[in-house]
Amino acid sequence: GEDVEQSLFLSVREGDSSVINCTYTDSSSTYLYWYKQEPGAGLQLLTYIFSNMDMKQDQRLTVLLNKKDKHLSLRIADTQTGDSAIYFCAETRRRDAGNMLTFGGGTRLMVKP
Amino acid sequence: DSGVTQTPKHLITATGQRVTLRCSPRSGDLSVYWYQQSLDQGLQFLIQYYNGEERAKGNILERFSAQQFPDLHSELNLSSLELGDSALYFCASSAAPGNGYTFGSGTRLTVV
Repeated sequence: GEDVEQSLFLSVREGDSSVINCTYTDSSSTYLYWYKQEPGAGLQLLTYIFSNMDMKQDQRLTVLLNKKDKHLSLRIADTQTGDSAIYFCAETRRRDAGNMLTFGGGTRLMVKP
Repeated sequence: DSGVTQTPKHLITATGQRVTLRCSPRSGDLSVYWYQQSLDQGLQFLIQYYNGEERAKGNILERFSAQQFPDLHSELNLSSLELGDSALYFCASSAAPGNGYTFGSGTRLTVV
């Protein structure tokens, strides 16, 4: 959706860090999420962050949230070939009665051996 | 296995036909969300049900309808199908916001 934007493509070498960026426009965001989609598969929740937090770390994943700039990033440390997938950021917004997820267009991560 | 079950996994049908997609939410989750994923539109929210009641509507066409039954499973009905309806249809369930939304593996619909 146009409310959440991501770059289309990112290529990294195995062992490097990957940083996937996302910007959103709605100031009523409550939670922000990162999902992973492998080819032919569904959406797997990787992590989420509450909108009043700045950072969340979970093993190789670090989420940074800059609420002033409405910018969210996902850093994957020591990226592996198995991390190759499409990564979606998504938000839920206070103004949406159903708390549905609004997704970005996805970033395709390619990890080269 | 995410706990959200969608059937069928694949569906091929002709233009003008009607199909029903089924979703069983994760045990204990009262909310069901339907999403459409297509190459040109990305992931679009269609409709949400909570404990049997429609809660929110997104970009759902009038040819599409859904319902949630007393056992909490949900069905998405797509009628007068067009080529452009070919997409992956995902169902997700949640207990409450902030807990994350669990997605099923999707139904791939191909309209020929």
